[in-house]
Amino acid sequence: KAGVTQTPRYLIKTRGQQVTLSCSPISGHRSVSWYQQTPGQGLQFLFEYFSETQRNKGNFPGRFSGRQFSNSRSEMNVSTLELGDSALYLCASSPAGNNSPLHFGNGTRLTVT
Amino acid sequence: DQQVKQNSPSLSVQEGRISILNCDYTNSMFDYFLWYKKYPAEGPTFLISISSIKDKNEDGRFTVFLNKSAKHLSLHIVPSQPGDSAVYFCAASEESSGDKLTFGTGTRLAVRP
Repeated sequence: KAGVTQTPRYLIKTRGQQVTLSCSPISGHRSVSWYQQTPGQGLQFLFEYFSETQRNKGNFPGRFSGRQFSNSRSEMNVSTLELGDSALYLCASSPAGNNSPLHFGNGTRLTVT
Repeated sequence: DQQVKQNSPSLSVQEGRISILNCDYTNSMFDYFLWYKKYPAEGPTFLISISSIKDKNEDGRFTVFLNKSAKHLSLHIVPSQPGDSAVYFCAASEESSGDKLTFGTGTRLAVRP
């Protein structure tokens, strides 16, 4: 079974731009969640989608948004990029989204200059 | 407010010996706990989990212990191997919060040959 696939692996953007990251979950997994990893803050929850609906949201500004498609693939978007948005963005999937282990992709490394 | 804490940023252990990684939490609503291992440039890999109705769960060389009264969990790796060298994260979730995991800040384990 293929794992969680995230594209692109690396991205360099300029302050003020916007970016879209993509995630394909493990086949059959209906829940997709996003996390941000930075050296200072560790792994922080961004949001979770289940059956195309946002089920949970973390404490991030409205510049961070996401969506899930009918095939469970997900995208997250960050608008008006700031230097502090530089981070590793991780996508994870699980079968049903409740007390089952998350399976993570290898992440997208975003650098904002 | 750091609800999940890993107070030891690093740990060094001799190959063949036991590695003990610790984690404390403050939110009494957490009822599911997980340990992840992370290598550089890769996403976290699920190791082992435990539900709050148990106090111990084993999987091969890995055992997780949960002490609910102390709000403490630990991961034991026996015997430790050089390939276990990585950053270990503990994470916790509430049943009502779907796939929202709260992560600790990680402990870097180095296993010396």
